[in-house]
Amino acid sequence: SQKIEQNSEALNIQEGKTATLTCNYTNYSPAYLQWYRQDPGRGPVFLLLIRENEKEKRKERLKVTFDTTLKQSLFHITASQPADSATYLCAGLLFSGSARQLTFGSGTQLTVLP
Amino acid sequence: DTGVSQDPRHKITKRGQNVTFRCDPISEHNRLYWYRQTLGQGPEFLTYFQNEAQLEKSRLLSDRFSAERPKGSFSTLEIQRTEQGDSAMYLCASSGGQYYGYTFGSGTRLTVV
Repeated sequence: SQKIEQNSEALNIQEGKTATLTCNYTNYSPAYLQWYRQDPGRGPVFLLLIRENEKEKRKERLKVTFDTTLKQSLFHITASQPADSATYLCAGLLFSGSARQLTFGSGTQLTVLP
Repeated sequence: DTGVSQDPRHKITKRGQNVTFRCDPISEHNRLYWYRQTLGQGPEFLTYFQNEAQLEKSRLLSDRFSAERPKGSFSTLEIQRTEQGDSAMYLCASSGGQYYGYTFGSGTRLTVV
């Protein structure tokens, strides 16, 4: 079955380092992947969208890569800050029966330690 | 425009009661989505509207759930005969097109007791 998978283990890093989060997809080829940030008790906030024909996309301290061979997207936060602590969600369009819907992974909780 | 608004923020209801949630999307967005999220999980798709037409509905959505978007503006999600398993955060989102990110509201947290 089609899946979007993220490492469910929490990631702790030291302030100033680069955080790298992984998103893998199986049994399909998404036209694009999206990354969101979610803080406790709040809705997800859209960060970046990367299309399948784009290798890399950047926005300020954020960088996303899309490797269609490995079926993987990496999300990087450079010069991380404690304010970057949150859960990060990867999402892609999946087909379920006749329905096509944006499907989210379970998220990776990032903690940046001062 | 202040983004996607959801009302109420919190709802506690007794099992068997009906509840209705409201979502006001960004006015320029013609696409509206409902998701449900439980602790430790990513949002789970429920249904999708383009303007006033409900185009997609999750197979996981039981007959107790119904959603409307009259006139293609705000949307309501109703859950009839609530069950404890319906306890979750219900998220509404809107977008302006296929290659645009979704703008989510802050959600309605439902607790069924």
